[in-house]
Amino acid sequence: QQQVKQSPQSLIVQKGGIPIINCAYENTAFDYFPWYQQFPGKGPALLIAIRPDVSEKKEGRFTISFNKSAKQFSLHIMDSQPGDSATYFCAASTVGNTPLVFGKGTRLSVIA
Amino acid sequence: GAVVSQHPSRVICKSGTSVKIECRSLDFQATTMFWYRQFPKQSLMLMATSNEGSKATYEQGVEKDKFLINHASLTLSTLTVTSAHPEDSSFYICSAILRRGYNEQFFGPGTRLTVL
Repeated sequence: QQQVKQSPQSLIVQKGGIPIINCAYENTAFDYFPWYQQFPGKGPALLIAIRPDVSEKKEGRFTISFNKSAKQFSLHIMDSQPGDSATYFCAASTVGNTPLVFGKGTRLSVIA
Repeated sequence: GAVVSQHPSRVICKSGTSVKIECRSLDFQATTMFWYRQFPKQSLMLMATSNEGSKATYEQGVEKDKFLINHASLTLSTLTVTSAHPEDSSFYICSAILRRGYNEQFFGPGTRLTVL
């Protein structure tokens, strides 16, 4: 299975900081790149997603930056809050109703 | 919109029994659903792809006779863990694709299975 490599594994930032989570992929056929947020004991929730025809997408405090040539994409969380403390997963998939390939996740802690 | 439910949220059973987990798309029709398994502090592991009206496609290493998947309608997929053993204890999560071809996947809240 094609991999999606996610880093860092864990991240601690102060309230108001801008955590950045990075992902790199190998399969150039991937054309859909979502980010999910998961709280303990809950299912993942879709945060934001991007397709390769744009380099950046912003929704509220969440921004995806996408670098097609480098095969990398990242999530930025502006003005982070303690309530953002969760595990974040990047993922990728190809065209159609295909399964997502997930990164290993990043545990984010935002401290007041 | 795009709500996916799972039932039950938690189940405890004895070794050797079978457990059925339901996954429903509440406000949309899903021709494709996926079943994942997640161990503590780990990522999601795809178990199988469930397509309405056809047999599920299982990932390598997943026993199809142990994890029975039925996608009987456009809003319901079920996962039955047969003859459960303690090693089957895990967090099982389903997802459903909102719009055909766009691959926006929405996840259920998960089911915590504990096999004693």
